[in-house]
Amino acid sequence: KNQVEQSPQSLIILEGKNCTLQCNYTVSPFSNLRWYKQDTGRGPVSLTIMTFSENTKSNGRYTATLDADTKQSSLHITASQLSDSASYICVVMDSNYQLIWGAGTKLIIKP
Amino acid sequence: NAGVMQNPRHLVRRRGQEARLRCSPMKGHSHVYWYRQLPEEGLKFMVYLQKENIIDESGMPKERFSAEFPKEGPSILRIQQVVRGDSAAYFCASSPRQGAVPNEKLFFGSGTQLSVL
Repeated sequence: KNQVEQSPQSLIILEGKNCTLQCNYTVSPFSNLRWYKQDTGRGPVSLTIMTFSENTKSNGRYTATLDADTKQSSLHITASQLSDSASYICVVMDSNYQLIWGAGTKLIIKP
Repeated sequence: NAGVMQNPRHLVRRRGQEARLRCSPMKGHSHVYWYRQLPEEGLKFMVYLQKENIIDESGMPKERFSAEFPKEGPSILRIQQVVRGDSAAYFCASSPRQGAVPNEKLFFGSGTQLSVL
């Protein structure tokens, strides 16, 4: 069964610190892997999209990595800001172009 | 260029009533997707539509739920005879091209929170 699992479920860090969120998936074969940011009460916003041939992709302070062999991805946030408080969702597109969504990691940045 | 617009933001219905959720895609986008999200869970795909066509409704419950995207006007997700289990956030997304384009970015609206009393 195609699944996307994220860890940790929630994370609290101090403003200015770095953090890394994890995503493991069992989708195979897959077309691409995406990270979204979802603010409370809002729709998701795309951060990165990576194909299986890409190892890393950056978007400002967000850097996503992908290891297609181990089926793992991570999202690294550098120098966190209060506005980074949100849920971060890992999404994998399968070979039928269906998006399979993880449950997300809820990140809280404390001043 | 306005983003994806959904209304209402919040909708309260009593059991047995009908709920109508509206979605206006971004300008120039002709492909619309509907998702449902329960608290603490990921988004679940419901239906993918083009203008006047349902392309993929594999995630839509067989009964009480229907969706349309007419030639003119917004896309409508309609839930008849709502039950408490229908309470959720419903998100609409749009894209400019066919959903099968692998790396196409989806743009999401802010969602409609449906509460069934």
